Amino acid sequence: GAGVSQSPSNKVTEKGKDVELRCDPISGHTALYWYRQSLGQGLEFLIYFQGNSAPDKSGLPSDRFSAERTGGSVSTLTIQRTQQEDSAVYLCASSHTGPNTGELFFGEGSRLTVL
Amino acid sequence: GENVEQHPSTLSVQEGDSAVIKCTYSDSASNYFPWYKQELGKRPQLIIDIRSNVGEKKDQRIAVTLNKTAKHFSLHITETQPEDSAVYFCAASIISGGYNKLIFGAGTRLAVHP
Repeated sequence: GAGVSQSPSNKVTEKGKDVELRCDPISGHTALYWYRQSLGQGLEFLIYFQGNSAPDKSGLPSDRFSAERTGGSVSTLTIQRTQQEDSAVYLCASSHTGPNTGELFFGEGSRLTVL
Repeated sequence: GENVEQHPSTLSVQEGDSAVIKCTYSDSASNYFPWYKQELGKRPQLIIDIRSNVGEKKDQRIAVTLNKTAKHFSLHITETQPEDSAVYFCAASIISGGYNKLIFGAGTRLAVHP
């Protein structure tokens, strides 16, 4: 596609529910990141996929968070048993290769509100 | 752990003045340092980047300098304009557990007043 596509753009859920956020990266990009941005805050690294390698999950804040990337393309970030502190904008980004060689292109983000 | 420190957190300048944002990093193996601009309600976008084999890079009113010895890099915006108002993020490539990833600073909110 023309850019990184994320869905849904907005999600309101009740505490304790599970949510899935989807990211469709730019075609051909092998590297894919998920970041979390709380209101007025910075970009918190969550997880990184590079090609067929095992993902770097070191940024996931708890075991309620998981992500997968099917076929080296679309990625889904799943948050189980959501809590109010999970409310944030979840940004996906992709690049051609690793971070040293490719510009990171961000999606518009998925704004999650947990009531 | 690996981190990127960014200062100041907020910066207010008059139109036409210069603005400087500074970042430090902890991993001496870091070799790629991009800067992203995020306008209100929009996605971050790359404005300039520098690699470790270069000390300075300039693109019109924007320049970035890198001091590998001191492990710090800076963004310089000259002749600021109101449309430069945004949040600016620095980042550094970090090697961790065999992986190469980008870690961002906390951001600097720049306000340019006409």
